[in-house]
Amino acid sequence: TQLLEQSPQFLSIQEGENLTVYCNSSSVFSSLQWYRQEPGEGPVLLVTVVTGGEVKKLKRLTFQFGDARKDSSLHITAAQPGDTGLYLCAGGYNAGNMLTFGGGTRLMVKP
Amino acid sequence: DTEVTQTPKHLVMGMTNKKSLKCEQHMGHRAMYWYKQKAKKPPELMFVYSYEKLSINESVPSRFSPECPNSSLLNLHLHALQPEDSALYLCASSQEYGEQFFGPGTRLTVL
Repeated sequence: TQLLEQSPQFLSIQEGENLTVYCNSSSVFSSLQWYRQEPGEGPVLLVTVVTGGEVKKLKRLTFQFGDARKDSSLHITAAQPGDTGLYLCAGGYNAGNMLTFGGGTRLMVKP
Repeated sequence: DTEVTQTPKHLVMGMTNKKSLKCEQHMGHRAMYWYKQKAKKPPELMFVYSYEKLSINESVPSRFSPECPNSSLLNLHLHALQPEDSALYLCASSQEYGEQFFGPGTRLTVL
């Protein structure tokens, strides 16, 4: 069974602070997706990383895929209250359609 | 059209009722999924359809019955549910082995 461990589970910060969320596994993934979910809504895909060492930027969000494709991080610069939500990482495999989800990081950004 | 739609948004049903959840996508995706998500937890995979055929059933009780009438539609038929089945039910779709796009979900309450 492939497991994805996400940390921290919960993060409460002030507006303007920086933060990093980590997603770690002992398994190698063909791709890794990051999603953001608001209460009562479906997860919204933020980014997909597929190449070891890849770095992608989406405005104030920076995503990195580890060289060995076993881990990933999400860094948010100057967090805003609108960034509040549940952040989920999910690893995918070429051999099938399944995603393995991390446990999620619940982020609260206070004004 | 780049979205997955789900109806209804909310559903309240008794334990003796029969109801159906509907999901639709027009992105030409050949894989479609049902997930169940409890509060503060990541989504749990229930079923995967690939090319309109059921390819994965994650040991889901028979009171949940999926159906894929065509490549754009996915239904989940519900019968004799239990209160513990109350959750957010998410539909997703993907290219054959690609990133998954989620619908907004159906909030189900079983009384």
